[in-house]
Amino acid sequence: GQQVMQIPQYQHVQEGEDFTTYCNSSTTLSNIQWYKQRPGGHPVFLIQLVKSGEVKKQKRLTFQFGEAKKNSSLHITATQTTDVGTYFCAGPNSGGSNYKLTFGKGTLLTVNP
Amino acid sequence: DTAVSQTPKYLVTQMGNDKSIKCEQNLGHDTMYWYKQDSKKFLKIMFSYNNKELIINETVPNRFSPKSPDKAHLNLHINSLELGDSAVYFCASSQEGYSGNTIYFGEGSWLTVV
Repeated sequence: GQQVMQIPQYQHVQEGEDFTTYCNSSTTLSNIQWYKQRPGGHPVFLIQLVKSGEVKKQKRLTFQFGEAKKNSSLHITATQTTDVGTYFCAGPNSGGSNYKLTFGKGTLLTVNP
Repeated sequence: DTAVSQTPKYLVTQMGNDKSIKCEQNLGHDTMYWYKQDSKKFLKIMFSYNNKELIINETVPNRFSPKSPDKAHLNLHINSLELGDSAVYFCASSQEGYSGNTIYFGEGSWLTVV
């Protein structure tokens, strides 16, 4: 079945440093979504990428979708303590179901003030 | 107003008991889900309903039974609870169930089986 892999599993940075998490799919994706889950919270949608090579920015966050639509990345510039949380990528199932997202295992970001 | 609300938020119960978690969404979405998040934070879909019809039923023990009385509600009943059922259960919804649409998660129900 489809696999969505995310690295690293954990990342600890000093406040002000940059952070990047990478997502790789075993199959070509029609789109990819990114979610953030604060500690003790629930996943919250950040963004969706659809086009090959697409780049989107949200303030200090930059999202990229690979040319082959099999990988994606989230880059945070100058991290802040408010960025702490687990970042998940998710891609639609390639096995015929249009109602299922496969989530990566997430990258837990901790920021030292 | 909470878009996807689920109750209870915390639940501690003994092995062998039966428990239910209720979920309601006021977003007018057609599709609702139950996800399980284990201690390693891995999010795994359990069930999905579209307009009250079961469309996704992952490899989940028969002890788990979802029920959707209408498209705004999706409840989860668990029989004969086991230690391994301890996890956070998230209800979620999306419009039309198309995987390209945003999934809105509830705040989660923390289930601890002792």
